[in-house]
Amino acid sequence: AQSVSQHNHHVILSEAASLELGCNYSYGGTVNLFWYVQYPGQHLQLLLKYFSGDPLVKGIKGFEAEFIKSKFSFNLRKPSVQWSDTAEYFCAVNPSTGGGNKLTFGTGTQLKVEL
Amino acid sequence: DAGVIQSPRHEVTEMGQEVTLRCKPISGHNSLFWYRQTMMRGLELLIYFNNNVPIDDSGMPEDRFSAKMPNASFSTLKIQPSEPRDSAVYFCASSLSPSGSLDTQYFGPGTRLTVL
Repeated sequence: AQSVSQHNHHVILSEAASLELGCNYSYGGTVNLFWYVQYPGQHLQLLLKYFSGDPLVKGIKGFEAEFIKSKFSFNLRKPSVQWSDTAEYFCAVNPSTGGGNKLTFGTGTQLKVEL
Repeated sequence: DAGVIQSPRHEVTEMGQEVTLRCKPISGHNSLFWYRQTMMRGLELLIYFNNNVPIDDSGMPEDRFSAKMPNASFSTLKIQPSEPRDSAVYFCASSLSPSGSLDTQYFGPGTRLTVL
């Protein structure tokens, strides 16, 4: 069964700092990849997704992620974070074939941005 | 669009009681998912339906959990009897998945369940 690892459980940054959150998955075949965000007290929302094509994916609110197949990684980045980016971030994976509609989520990274 | 609707938003119950969580997916969506979120295990898929039919329930922890989708606009997740270790936030999500292919899942606000 595939698994998703998010190694950074808690990240604290100052405003304007650059962000990179790690995501690695264990699945040998072709995958679909997602990043979701959960703001305090709110439900999960899609930030960005990768199905195929350009491995550098742009999402909402200035976020981007790069799919590196050789490293089984899909790291999330933002060049300059804002206080409003404080949230929990989840990476998720689905096999492109045979996975049905199932998503496997990582355990999440709690990001706190300080003023 | 109202998005995915879940009720109740908060539920506090005593061990041994039956708990029923409800979900109304986005109109027109044909896939529905139930997830459980805990500090220890993160976000886990419990079960999902395509066109009201349960497709994969391998994530359902044990027989105390059951889920139904009697029609395209309503689903329930039932825990009977409830135990303190069931305390978690339960999310429902829906997606529009033509021919069973993957599409973006839209999440509801969740139900925070506390079992005393």
